[in-house]
Amino acid sequence: GQQLNQSPQSMFIQEGEDVSMNCTSSSIFNTWLWYKQDPGEGPVLLIALYKAGELTSNGRLTAQFGITRKDSFLNISASIPSDVGIYFCAGTGTASKLTFGTGTRLQVTL
Amino acid sequence: EAQVTQNPRYLITVTGKKLTVTCSQNMNHEYMSWYRQDPGLGLRQIYYSMNVEVTDKGDVPEGYKVSRKEKRNFPLILESPSPNQTSLYFCASSFRRLGPGEQYFGPGTRLTVT
Repeated sequence: GQQLNQSPQSMFIQEGEDVSMNCTSSSIFNTWLWYKQDPGEGPVLLIALYKAGELTSNGRLTAQFGITRKDSFLNISASIPSDVGIYFCAGTGTASKLTFGTGTRLQVTL
Repeated sequence: EAQVTQNPRYLITVTGKKLTVTCSQNMNHEYMSWYRQDPGLGLRQIYYSMNVEVTDKGDVPEGYKVSRKEKRNFPLILESPSPNQTSLYFCASSFRRLGPGEQYFGPGTRLTVT
């Protein structure tokens, strides 16, 4: 199946810092999505991207659909303690299923 | 409240004892899916369903069965569970008729097979 490489695997940052993570695919994707998972809960959708080059914001979060359609990035500005969690990229290619990256674990120190 | 519910939330069972994990959504979504989450592997899709009576294999379907007799329900069946099926399972659903779109996830079911 399709592979999504997500980096970094984990991040330790201080409150107030900006965060950047990215995801690359071995093949072209038609949709890119970013999810966040809090401990003990299911993933929650943060941002959905549907066009190559699209840049979308959701509060302090900004994500972009790469122009090659094989990558996407997520930025979080001015991180706060509640940003802690695991962030997953996900995408759909030609098949009707969603492929997830392996996740980026974010930890925020005060 | 719009939600995806799963039952049970926690289950410990023995090898070979058939079990079913239920999933129900109240958002009239056509698309439903099951995932398993294992450390370092992210979420991997087991089965998905585009609509009632339409199901298809995901990336890791071996050892699992599903059915979609009603739009709101999508149970996951393990006919003969084995220890390698110990995992955290999530059900999800979405509006997108022609694809997974923006999925809503249930709270998860943690399964341990001894």
